[in-house]
Amino acid sequence: AQSVTQLDSHVSVSEGTPVLLRCNYSSSYSPSLFWYVQHPNKGLQLLLKYTSAATLVKGINGFEAEFKKSETSFHLTKPSAHMSDAAEYFCVVRSYGGSQGNLIFGKGTKLSVKP
Amino acid sequence: DGGITQSPKYLFRKEGQNVTLSCEQNLNHDAMYWYRQDPGQGLRLIYYSQIVNDFQKGDIAEGYSVSREKKESFPLTVTSAQKNPTAFYLCASNSPGQLNTEAFFGQGTRLTVV
Repeated sequence: AQSVTQLDSHVSVSEGTPVLLRCNYSSSYSPSLFWYVQHPNKGLQLLLKYTSAATLVKGINGFEAEFKKSETSFHLTKPSAHMSDAAEYFCVVRSYGGSQGNLIFGKGTKLSVKP
Repeated sequence: DGGITQSPKYLFRKEGQNVTLSCEQNLNHDAMYWYRQDPGQGLRLIYYSQIVNDFQKGDIAEGYSVSREKKESFPLTVTSAQKNPTAFYLCASNSPGQLNTEAFFGQGTRLTVV
């Protein structure tokens, strides 16, 4: 069965410091993995995706993520946080079959950025 | 521009009333989804459809109904049987056979019971 675990429900950083949002996955197949960002009362916007090409994926707004098959992880990082990064972040796995219509969501990580 | 549109942005429902949330996409996606979002609970799947005239229940389908008469449209009706409908509702679409492509989301509808 496929699953996604976001290891932190809430992360707080200071502006200008690095961001690390952790995601572990379980999949029977070679997965496609995505990170989305959601600002309050908005829809989800794609940050980046891994689709079995390069293991280090660069996304929008300076975010990147590294796919590590041995650790079944896809952690999201950014070298320097900005106030506008404060939002909720979702890790998503896509795979064939299952009861969720191919989209498996993590519970989300709320990122707070202190001035 | 292609995209997915939800309307209205805000909706108020009286007790015992049915309301319908609209979701339209012009991305030519076969699959469409409805999620409910409550504070601290992530996204929970209500219904999804992978092809016209067919749909499946998600984890929390009770009190909701959907139809998929057109590829572009997937309206969600919140019925009076849904006892706690106040939430943020998100619609999404994707191509189910292309796993390396992302899902697109609407901007959401906030439903409040008054």
